[in-house]
Amino acid sequence: QVQLVESGGGVVQPGGSLRLSCAASGFSFSSYGMHWVRQAPGKGLEWVAVISYDGANKYYEDSVKGRFTISRDNSKNTLYLQMNSLRAEDTAVYYCAKGRDGHNYAFDYWGQGTLVTVSS
Amino acid sequence: EIVLTQSPGTLSLSPGERASLSCRASQSVSSSYLAWYQQKPGQAPRLLIYGASSRATGIPDRFSGSGSGTDFTLTISRLEPEDFGVYYCQQYGSSPMYTFGQGTKLEIK
Repeated sequence: QVQLVESGGGVVQPGGSLRLSCAASGFSFSSYGMHWVRQAPGKGLEWVAVISYDGANKYYEDSVKGRFTISRDNSKNTLYLQMNSLRAEDTAVYYCAKGRDGHNYAFDYWGQGTLVTVSS
Repeated sequence: EIVLTQSPGTLSLSPGERASLSCRASQSVSSSYLAWYQQKPGQAPRLLIYGASSRATGIPDRFSGSGSGTDFTLTISRLEPEDFGVYYCQQYGSSPMYTFGQGTKLEIK
């Protein structure tokens, strides 16, 4: 069965950096686009970034452009999110999610999430 | 950027009743690009409906989606106690960009 397991969250000071990982199993990882979606405490869902199946194309939500970098290692079935210049408003649970089929219009499997807290 | 507005904010219904959740877009959205998710407290979201009306794998047939253009609806025909939670609609747009509605909280009486 499909499994997505995030790691790397924690407490970081404003301006700091953190790298999140998402280990995937149970499907052909290299065939699907992958996403990061976040949820601030008590708030709704916010899409963060997407990477194509081969890593060639990457897109970001405006507020994270230039600060966050999405990447993947298909040999390790792992998705990453490098987060730099972190701000208090980046505090959230970060989920990795699998794009549903080749069109990537929806997210059909989600990890359990990892909490990132940006605070001094 | 397309904005999705969900209503009502909170819905309180009893088991066995029918629930209708609305998602209205600020501009026309292709039906292929509209999805619905359920999220329970402390859990990740779960895909219910994609392409506005297609049920995801393992989703009971009491869940159905409909609509086109700017107005979409998620209907739960006969509520079960486990259907409580927050429901989000989501659309895919150009750029690409993905946006979610603010959510509808479904409370079971």
